[in-house]
Amino acid sequence: GAGVSQTPSNKVTEKGKYVELRCDPISGHTALYWYRQSLGQGPEFLIYFQGTGAADDSGLPNDRFFAVRPEGSVSTLKIQRTERGDSAVYLCASSLSGQGAYNEQFFGPGTRLTVL
Amino acid sequence: AQSVSQHNHHVILSEAASLELGCNYSYGGTVNLFWYVQYPGQHLQLLLKYFSGDPLVKGIKGFEAEFIKSKFSFNLRKPSVQWSDTAEYFCAFILTGGGNKLTFGTGTQLKVEL
Repeated sequence: GAGVSQTPSNKVTEKGKYVELRCDPISGHTALYWYRQSLGQGPEFLIYFQGTGAADDSGLPNDRFFAVRPEGSVSTLKIQRTERGDSAVYLCASSLSGQGAYNEQFFGPGTRLTVL
Repeated sequence: AQSVSQHNHHVILSEAASLELGCNYSYGGTVNLFWYVQYPGQHLQLLLKYFSGDPLVKGIKGFEAEFIKSKFSFNLRKPSVQWSDTAEYFCAFILTGGGNKLTFGTGTQLKVEL
């Protein structure tokens, strides 16, 4: 079956611009996660959705970052007034349920964001 | 703050050599532990996981890891590596009862030479 997909695969933007990154989870997965991976680092948690609601957004670095999942499937990560420090690979993952670590998180290929 | 340390950032081995990658976590409570692998050009994928029970867990492709609670460690091992094991390896944990967010280490880049 299809895995987690993310679009675009690469995004280059200018400092101060607004960007949207999209994630399509595995069909039937109710939990969706966003992580950010900077160069030379491991992925860092940003936000987790259970269904349509953000169950944990403690990893969002500031109020320029926002994510939605209006119908409980596709999610969009939105970054306003981008800064050069936002350059990273943004990873999306999904799992059958968000209840407990027993549910394996399946990762997408990521979106490489470059802010010039 | 909770964290994961992977002390080996780059490892180069010859085929058939034995592998051990170190992982230490910083948290006083109960955690669930994971190793993820990212092969060149591919997605992150789960290699193995530990929740409870036997502290020696076996994963895919002949990998295993041992949880040593007293040392806060979860080292990854493989008796004989292959060229195809060239990849980046990430140790991670989830706090028990702390939601489902993974905390990752910085990763170890493994290169296996023929």
